[in-house]
Amino acid sequence: AQRVTQPEKLLSVFKGAPVELKCNYSYSGSPELFWYVQYSRQRLQLLLRHISRESIKGFTADLNKGETSFHLKKPFAQEEDSAMYYCALKGPLYSGAGSYQLTFGKGTKLSVIP
Amino acid sequence: DAGVIQSPRHEVTEMGQEVTLRCKPISGHDYLFWYRQTMMRGLELLIYFNNNVPIDDSGMPEDRFSAKMPNASFSTLKIQPSEPRDSAVYFCASSSRDLNTGELFFGEGSRLTVL
Repeated sequence: AQRVTQPEKLLSVFKGAPVELKCNYSYSGSPELFWYVQYSRQRLQLLLRHISRESIKGFTADLNKGETSFHLKKPFAQEEDSAMYYCALKGPLYSGAGSYQLTFGKGTKLSVIP
Repeated sequence: DAGVIQSPRHEVTEMGQEVTLRCKPISGHDYLFWYRQTMMRGLELLIYFNNNVPIDDSGMPEDRFSAKMPNASFSTLKIQPSEPRDSAVYFCASSSRDLNTGELFFGEGSRLTVL
């Protein structure tokens, strides 16, 4: 079974401080991982995907297969980063299925203190 | 494109009443998902449609929940009878090509409160 764990429900940091939102996964296949973000009064939206190895809004995330982690990092937090962040894993709907689903973690609320 | 459109945005109802939530996916998207969001359980997948056909409904909590997709541009999630523990935000999302890019497009959600 595929599982995504975000151990922190709430993370508070001061503006300018580094941020790390933790995500661990459990999956027997080759994982595809994503971070989604939900800003206040906005839709849940894709932030970044590990395959792209991109930096979006200063955020990066590296897939560590040895530690089964996909932590989201930013060196200097900004007030506008305050939001709900979800880590997600793409996997088959069921074993051998040709269809896929995204399994989400429970989310971490990031609060950046001015 | 206005994106995924959900209605109502807010619904307050009494226990035992029927609730119907509606969703219009992005035109051209073949996949539609219903999720439920709560503080305790986060985002849970309820049901998933491909080309209007339900693919997997194992996430639907009970027989009180049902979902339909009569055509490519409309889906409903119905709860009958509703209970206080159904209070949550219900999201509809759509995607193209079976999550090929891993990107789901979410609606703004329907916040349901059952008293």
